[in-house]
Amino acid sequence: DAKTTQPNSMESNEEEPVHLPCNHSTISGTDYIHWYRQLPSQGPEYVIHGLTSNVNNRMASLAIAEDRKSSTLILHRATLRDAAVYYCIYSGGSNYKLSFGKGTLLTVNP
Amino acid sequence: DAGITQSPRHKVTETGTPVTLRCHQTENHRYMYWYRQDPGHGLRLIHYSYGVKDTDKGEVSDGYSVSRSKTEDFLLTLESATSSQTSVYFCAISATGGYGYTFGSGTRLTVV
Repeated sequence: DAKTTQPNSMESNEEEPVHLPCNHSTISGTDYIHWYRQLPSQGPEYVIHGLTSNVNNRMASLAIAEDRKSSTLILHRATLRDAAVYYCIYSGGSNYKLSFGKGTLLTVNP
Repeated sequence: DAGITQSPRHKVTETGTPVTLRCHQTENHRYMYWYRQDPGHGLRLIHYSYGVKDTDKGEVSDGYSVSRSKTEDFLLTLESATSSQTSVYFCAISATGGYGYTFGSGTRLTVV
C-alpha cells in the first residue's frame, strides 16, 4: 500500500492561510499526489492533484517538493466551511485505485 | 447533482442475513469503487470495477462480493452480515481511475 504521513490534527484561524503537510517518501516518479477532503457527515470530495509542478485551482494550491518526497496543501484563506479531514494520497503504482489513510483533521476557529 | 446515488442511506440488519447496497451513476464513468469508513481506520477500499463485469479486490474484501452488469450500477453484497461489517459505506466513481473521484453520500449499515 502507498503510505503517506500526515499530522493527525491541525488548527487554524478564519481568514488565515493554512499549510497542510504530507510526507510520501516512497513515492515513485510516476505517482500523482492527490488531496481529498471530507466535510462532516459527507463523502470525500476531490481537492487537487499534481505530479511535479506546483498546482493551483479555485479550492487550493499544491506545493510539491523538488525530490517529491513531501507536499503541502495550501488553503489561502481558511473559512469555517474548510473544517474537514484532509487526505493526502498517492496511487503507489496503480493507475486505477486510490488508498486513503486517516488524514488530518483541520479545525478552523472563528 | 453529482450524478451518483447510493441506496439505501441507512439500514439495520440482523447478523447472518444477506445485504445488498446499490451505487448508481448517471455520468457513464468507467471506474466504480466501494469503500468502508470506520473510526480510527479512515477509508478502506473493498472492491472496485474497471468496466462492466470487470471487478477486482481491494484491501478489505473478505466477506464482500460485488457485481456490475451495466455501466451505471455497482452492487455490494454482504453474503452473511456480521457485526464487524457495521460501518459507513461509500461508493465512488471516476472517468479515468487515476484522479477526480466523485463520492456518494454514503450508506450507514448497522448489523445487530
